[in-house]
Amino acid sequence: DGGITQSPKYLFRKEGQNVTLSCEQNLNHDAMYWYRQDPGQGLRLIYYSQIVNDFQKGDIAEGYSVSREKKESFPLTVTSAQKNPTAFYLCASSNLLDSVHGYTFGSGTRLTVV
Amino acid sequence: GENVEQHPSTLSVQEGDSAVIKCTYSDSASNYFPWYKQELGKRPQLIIDIRSNVGEKKDQRIAVTLNKTAKHFSLHITETQPEDSAVYFCAASIGGTGGFKTIFGAGTRLFVKA
Repeated sequence: DGGITQSPKYLFRKEGQNVTLSCEQNLNHDAMYWYRQDPGQGLRLIYYSQIVNDFQKGDIAEGYSVSREKKESFPLTVTSAQKNPTAFYLCASSNLLDSVHGYTFGSGTRLTVV
Repeated sequence: GENVEQHPSTLSVQEGDSAVIKCTYSDSASNYFPWYKQELGKRPQLIIDIRSNVGEKKDQRIAVTLNKTAKHFSLHITETQPEDSAVYFCAASIGGTGGFKTIFGAGTRLFVKA
């Protein structure tokens, strides 16, 4: 539901391993975002993209990488350089020309380092 | 840098009472203020929003007020019900819903006691 799908719902990462979180939307939204949610810290922006083949760092981009090869897809890779990756990751999208509906969020991926 | 402060971090009310959550923002260029509700284990969902050219907006039991001079905006929930229990996030955005400059507050955990 909601038109934006994140997978997997739960992900376990071993030390030193890169993992990729998937985010796909069929809302024809231009902009996509990745947020990290930690308890008591709200939502922190990792990366965002407003157009295909272009993306910008957010507030906490270190240790993460993204790509935007297709309008519908904005995968996030958590690299081994991210020292504290255990968190809840939320992907969101918005229509740059739509002044009504705000962000649509995915259902999230809970990443745990084991 | 830009900042959105949200208070209180936790709010407990009796069913039927009102709940008020307050946010302040630092960037005077902010012109769009959405509120999101996140139930336990679920994605944040937009519940109401207000633009800078409006001082108040109401949708059934939910209302939002904006004071641009003081850079305050607030969420008011009347006749609270147990299903209102959730985490609520305010946000301040520049450029409308698609603007990448959206800053979220840290969230308020609302408990409605039956």
